[in-house]
Amino acid sequence: ELKVEQNPLFLSMQEGKNYTIYCNYSTTSDRLYWYRQDPGKSLESLFVLLSNGAVKQEGRLMASLDTKARLSTLHITAAVHDLSATYFCAVGLLFQGGSEKLVFGKGMKLTVNP
Amino acid sequence: DTEVTQTPKHLVMGMTNKKSLKCEQHMGHRAMYWYKQKAKKPPELMFVYSYEKLSINESVPSRFSPECPNSSLLNLHLHALQPEDSALYLCASSLTWGAGGYTFGSGTRLTVV
Repeated sequence: ELKVEQNPLFLSMQEGKNYTIYCNYSTTSDRLYWYRQDPGKSLESLFVLLSNGAVKQEGRLMASLDTKARLSTLHITAAVHDLSATYFCAVGLLFQGGSEKLVFGKGMKLTVNP
Repeated sequence: DTEVTQTPKHLVMGMTNKKSLKCEQHMGHRAMYWYKQKAKKPPELMFVYSYEKLSINESVPSRFSPECPNSSLLNLHLHALQPEDSALYLCASSLTWGAGGYTFGSGTRLTVV
């Protein structure tokens, strides 16, 4: 059974600081997705990583994927309050009938303090 | 149109009621999904329709019944639910698998009383 582990699960950081969060998974996959969720809201897609060595950046966030280490990182640069949310990583697995299912980590709750 | 539209946004139902959740997309996506998210937990897959063929996550009880009338519409029929079924139900779509990413709807917050 695939396990997806995020580390840390809770992070409180100051504005302007940098931090890296980690997503480890237990089986072979080259499909890794990052999502943001605000309280009571749906999931907002941040990054789609589909190959070993993939790196994508959007604003203050940068994500990377190392399929050999089964590890993805999400780096936060110069955090601002608006980044406060829960961040999920999800691994894509082949499912029935050629479809794909996402298996999510537990999520990391980020609080950025002024 | 780059959205997945879910209705209703909120639903309160009794354990003997029958209700349906609806989901619609017009992005030409050929795969549509239902995910269930309990409070402070990650989403979990319930059903996938890929090219209108159903795949079921085996742990989902039969009181949930999906329907895909066409490639743009997805319903989730609810019958004889239990209070523990209270959750946020998220619909998503993708091209086939998630190569272009998944687009999630805003969700239906369901409360079973």
